[in-house]
Amino acid sequence: EAAVTQSPRNKVAVTGGKVTLSCNQTNNHNNMYWYRQDTGHGLRLIHYSYGAGSTEKGDIPDGYKASRPSQENFSLILELATPSQTSVYFCASGDAITGENTGQLYFGEGSKLTVL
Amino acid sequence: AQSVDQPDAHVTLSEGASLELRCSYSYSAAPYLFWYVQYPGQSLQFLLKYITGDTVVKGTKGFEAEFRKSNSSFNLKKSPAHWSDSAKYFCALEGRAKLTFGKGTKLSVKS
Repeated sequence: EAAVTQSPRNKVAVTGGKVTLSCNQTNNHNNMYWYRQDTGHGLRLIHYSYGAGSTEKGDIPDGYKASRPSQENFSLILELATPSQTSVYFCASGDAITGENTGQLYFGEGSKLTVL
Repeated sequence: AQSVDQPDAHVTLSEGASLELRCSYSYSAAPYLFWYVQYPGQSLQFLLKYITGDTVVKGTKGFEAEFRKSNSSFNLKKSPAHWSDSAKYFCALEGRAKLTFGKGTKLSVKS
């Protein structure tokens, strides 16, 4: 079973502070994603990556940076955190749909971020 | 551009009834469509997918979904519903490795 691990699971930050959310996957998936989940909005894509060294902007990238230093790790960085970034963040990994791959994503358990 | 619409924020029904959760999509090419489920306090789990071929696809936990190209829909179905199906359900569309989710439908099954 695919494993995606996020850290920290809970974080309280101050406005203007820097926050880094980390994600590790052990299944050698090429694609990794960061989403945030807010009531009334569902899941919204922030950044994603096709592999080590690549990052792509999702639908709501403003105020966020991403880093993919290796196949296994994908970080989400909030350089200057704001209260509007209070949310639950999910990391996911998966591979493109091919004859062997289902294309499904495997999600981490989520990171709850509160910015005061 | 790609988008997914789940028009029903909440659906409530009695145990034993049939459930159908609605999903419509907008995408310029042939869609890859998914349903995921999120139980309270948990992360998302894969239920089923449509890639091509048969318009009715079966997934885990007794769910199935019907793809209808004519009205760009991909509705999730199960009969009968069980109280343990109470959860939030997300429809999603993949385009060029980018997975776009709908806002989700919270399903409550009363026993």
